[in-house]
Amino acid sequence: GQSLEQPSEVTAVEGAIVQINCTYQTSGFYGLSWYQQHDGGAPTFLSYNGLDGLEETGRFSSFLSRSDSYGYLLLQELQMKDSASYFCAPDYGGATNKLIFGTGTLLAVQP
Amino acid sequence: DAGITQSPRHKVTETGTPVTLRCHQTENHRYMYWYRQDPGHGLRLIHYSYGVKDTDKGEVSDGYSVSRSKTEDFLLTLESATSSQTSVYFCAIRDKLNTGELFFGEGSRLTVL
Repeated sequence: GQSLEQPSEVTAVEGAIVQINCTYQTSGFYGLSWYQQHDGGAPTFLSYNGLDGLEETGRFSSFLSRSDSYGYLLLQELQMKDSASYFCAPDYGGATNKLIFGTGTLLAVQP
Repeated sequence: DAGITQSPRHKVTETGTPVTLRCHQTENHRYMYWYRQDPGHGLRLIHYSYGVKDTDKGEVSDGYSVSRSKTEDFLLTLESATSSQTSVYFCAIRDKLNTGELFFGEGSRLTVL
């Protein structure tokens, strides 16, 4: 299967900035998605990078570097409600159109 | 919100029994996916579909089969459930390519005793 790496856990305090990194396998790669999942809930889509560079959506930004097979999710002005698991999901498109999820990063935001 | 529902939401069954999980969508989306989620493994793709009667295997397809006889329904079947298939199963749908956006159902929690 496709190799995918992201940190298992990250801890930060309210108001801080945190970056969650993701490295992926390039074969068949189309783009990189990020998802958030609160405990007991369904994953929800946060962002997608189809091109290199930074995409900003409110307090969240996502970055992609195809040449480095690397991306990250940046969360700013952390709030307690941001405590959740975050998944990077490379999109291996073409005929398959499948997204492969990593094991996720558990973010704990402390007061 | 995408119209996607999973049934049943919770099921307890015994080893060796067949189980079918249903994913129903009202969005007329072409692509549908079944994932399982287990502690320490994240979300793993079981099977997916790119149209009626068009399905393919994902990362962990052994012990599972799927069917899609109409656009709105994607069924996941465990022919003979095993304890290792105890998991939370998520269905997802996708409309547009090159956006990376999946809409997930609320999940089906299956316990195999």
